[in-house]
Amino acid sequence: DTEVTQTPKHLVMGMTNKKSLKCEQHMGHRAMYWYKQKAKKPPELMFVYSYEKLSINESVPSRFSPECPNSSLLNLHLHALQPEDSALYLCASSQGTTVSQPQHFGDGTRLSIL
Amino acid sequence: AQKVTQAQTEISVVEKEDVTLDCVYETRDTTYYLFWYKQPPSGELVFLIRRNSFDEQNEISGRYSWNFQKSTSSFNFTITASQVVDSAVYFCALSEALPHGGSQGNLIFGKGTKLSVKP
Repeated sequence: DTEVTQTPKHLVMGMTNKKSLKCEQHMGHRAMYWYKQKAKKPPELMFVYSYEKLSINESVPSRFSPECPNSSLLNLHLHALQPEDSALYLCASSQGTTVSQPQHFGDGTRLSIL
Repeated sequence: AQKVTQAQTEISVVEKEDVTLDCVYETRDTTYYLFWYKQPPSGELVFLIRRNSFDEQNEISGRYSWNFQKSTSSFNFTITASQVVDSAVYFCALSEALPHGGSQGNLIFGKGTKLSVKP
């Protein structure tokens, strides 16, 4: 079982809906990440939180809004998504954010936009 | 520019065969880290190994072994006596320091190699 827990595992939503993806880790990691992965492609970094502060936003559209309520939780709020946003959304955490730290991933949320 | 190339898109083997997954990288950094991840159909990316640029020792973990050759910028992964459970997509990744993030790391993934192990 992964030590990074993501909910829900599957989500189908309409373009006008508002929903949230949740991620939780209890490894004491201080960095958390959101990735987007399209089918047959590698993961693409979206956001990085370091010590509960947003440190990297890789030019992600504003319809994706991350939130880090505390060091164990990471949310991704979704609003007015487009069909091309359908993908696997992966959360990851690492002890720190330096180049040496391996990232540990959750199972992901498979998102489908109707 | 930092880049990771996994030239093999798909590999199919029969159980008990040995298989090597290739990974070639490009980086300007003198200090960098390389990783291998396994992604089974369930979706989770499983961390397999980390190697830093100063450690060229090969590593073996059970049926898995890694060959890091700085001279050819390669970090290949071999599975010995493959099993059906090894079927997955395998990603090689390079950790770079983001220019605007100081020493902050960012994973540059290769496109992945899909391994199918048939019984």
